[in-house]
Amino acid sequence: ETGVTQSPTHLIKTRGQQVTLRCSSQSGHNTVSWYQQALGQGPQFIFQYYREEENGRGNFPPRFSGLQFPNYSSELNVNALELDDSALYLCASSIPPGDEQFFGPGTRLTVL
Amino acid sequence: GESVGLHLPTLSVQEGDNSIINCAYSNSASDYFIWYKQESGKGPQFIIDIRSNMDKRQGQRVTVLLNKTVKHLSLQIAATQPGDSAVYFCAEKYGNNRLAFGKGNQVVVIP
Repeated sequence: ETGVTQSPTHLIKTRGQQVTLRCSSQSGHNTVSWYQQALGQGPQFIFQYYREEENGRGNFPPRFSGLQFPNYSSELNVNALELDDSALYLCASSIPPGDEQFFGPGTRLTVL
Repeated sequence: GESVGLHLPTLSVQEGDNSIINCAYSNSASDYFIWYKQESGKGPQFIIDIRSNMDKRQGQRVTVLLNKTVKHLSLQIAATQPGDSAVYFCAEKYGNNRLAFGKGNQVVVIP
């Protein structure tokens, strides 16, 4: 069974650019949640996708958007990057009605 | 890798001793709580969970205690080992299976 994978592992962008991060969920998991983890902080919920539809959103602006594909993999897109977007971006997969979420290793985004 | 534990409360514990990490949660309606361990450069790793209809749950070397009256969780690690050095987060589930994480506690095991 393959765990949650994310790509790329590290990324450097400049302010104003756009970025796409990718996540492959654990086998059989149809729900993907994205979290932002600033340095020294706990992860903050961005949004969740269930069967290709957004299924809840945290307190993040519309320039944070996402997609889920038929194979349940997911993308997180961030437009008009700001310096404060520098963080570790985590995705977690799960399969309702189960509660446990399995996290990937994250993508470290640095905005200069 | 870059540390996730900068500026976090730090617990230094001697190898072999027991560790206790505490966490306060905010939502009295939360019905599911989880402790995660995060090592530098990695994503959070599930340790143990507990539902709101329980006040104690034990795993291998770990015990979680839940006090709903004061909205408090604790994680006890028995016979702490060097591999236990990490940042530990409590999380509560709310809404559609989304998690709200606490700020984290850094555990440093002294050999």
